[in-house]
Amino acid sequence: KAGVTQTPRYLIKTRGQQVTLSCSPISGHRSVSWYQQTPGQGLQFLFEYFSETQRNKGNFPGRFSGRQFSNSRSEMNVSTLELGDSALYLCASSWSFGDYEQYFGPGTRLTVT
Amino acid sequence: AQTVTQSQPEMSVQEAETVTLSCTYDTSESDYYLFWYKQPPSRQMILVIRQEAYKQQNATENRFSVNFQKAAKSFSLKISDSQLGDAAMYFCAYRSAIYQFYFGTGTSLTVIP
Repeated sequence: KAGVTQTPRYLIKTRGQQVTLSCSPISGHRSVSWYQQTPGQGLQFLFEYFSETQRNKGNFPGRFSGRQFSNSRSEMNVSTLELGDSALYLCASSWSFGDYEQYFGPGTRLTVT
Repeated sequence: AQTVTQSQPEMSVQEAETVTLSCTYDTSESDYYLFWYKQPPSRQMILVIRQEAYKQQNATENRFSVNFQKAAKSFSLKISDSQLGDAAMYFCAYRSAIYQFYFGTGTSLTVIP
């Protein structure tokens, strides 16, 4: 069974641009969560989607948004990029909302210059 | 809001020896889950072990075990017979009653041959 995949793996953007990251969950998994990982902050929860609906949201500004499609694939969008948005963005999938067992993807490394 | 603290940014252990990674958390909830995740260099994060708060017995998975002290809000990970493949960043995580995950800032473990 294929694991969680994230595209692209690496991305370089300039301040003020926007970016869209993609996550394909494990087949059959219907819940996708997104995290931002930075060296000083560890992992911070962004949001979780289940059945195309955002079920949980972390403490991030509105520039961070997401969506989930009917096939459970999810995208995350960051608008008006700032230098501080440089991070590894991880997505994790699980069978259902509230499932404590989540499987992580390899992440997308975003660098904002 | 819940917080998770890992006070040891870096740890090292001799191969075949035992090491303990510390984690404390702050919460007013009585029902929650605790986890240790392992993130090897340039590889995906994987779940090492989990503990349900309502269970008094400490969880064990092969060479990995935890010391869960609910009253002290402490959740340490013990790795016995350390192997080179144990070298990684280890994250302690808390899952709240509303299914949000909170991660610590991580402990980088080096295994010395």
